[in-house]
Amino acid sequence: EAQVTQNPRYLITVTGKKLTVTCSQNMNHEYMSWYRQDPGLGLRQIYYSMNVEVTDKGDVPEGYKVSRKEKRNFPLILESPSPNQTSLYFCASSRTGEDEQYFGPGTRLTVT
Amino acid sequence: AQSVTQPDIHITVSEGASLELRCNYSYGATPYLFWYVQSPGQGLQLLLKYFSGDTLVQGIKGFEAEFKRSQSSFNLRKPSVHWSDAAEYFCAVVLTGTASKLTFGTGTRLQVTL
Repeated sequence: EAQVTQNPRYLITVTGKKLTVTCSQNMNHEYMSWYRQDPGLGLRQIYYSMNVEVTDKGDVPEGYKVSRKEKRNFPLILESPSPNQTSLYFCASSRTGEDEQYFGPGTRLTVT
Repeated sequence: AQSVTQPDIHITVSEGASLELRCNYSYGATPYLFWYVQSPGQGLQLLLKYFSGDTLVQGIKGFEAEFKRSQSSFNLRKPSVHWSDAAEYFCAVVLTGTASKLTFGTGTRLQVTL
């Protein structure tokens, strides 16, 4: 089944404790992206990747890192999480950056 | 700056009634346009998309949308709403030929009364 998977689905952590949210797709897509969803703000792009080893900032990259060492994986790293990063996070992939994106099920992160 | 506007935060319709959700964008050129739906506790699912050609596009679940260049709009419609359509709907655009940044509107939450 073609899909985007994210882990974990739910995470509660404390300020400053490094964490990684994994994202993997099995559709051989070139393009991958991370979004955060906050009430009243819709989805905002954090980082995106046009291809392996190519990443770029989205609208809200501060406090986040990404890497794209393999085509299928695009982990999101929070080196020192803060409470304002409490949010619902979505990973997405597509054939190209202009094509429809397929979304993962989301990761709900709470930073206390 | 490019932006996507969904002016209605929340809409309530009766089951069986027609629905129109509004979406406007501000770009210098015609972007690629999308509507996504997010059911409670779920990820986002594509309803339909417009790249070029016929300005009336059909999607899944009986939805359609019309691209109107003169109004910079891409409104979503459904002739008869079902209770299962209750969800949040997002309009999204990507400017062609750019670094492919997908920009979302803030969403419209649809409530369906029986």
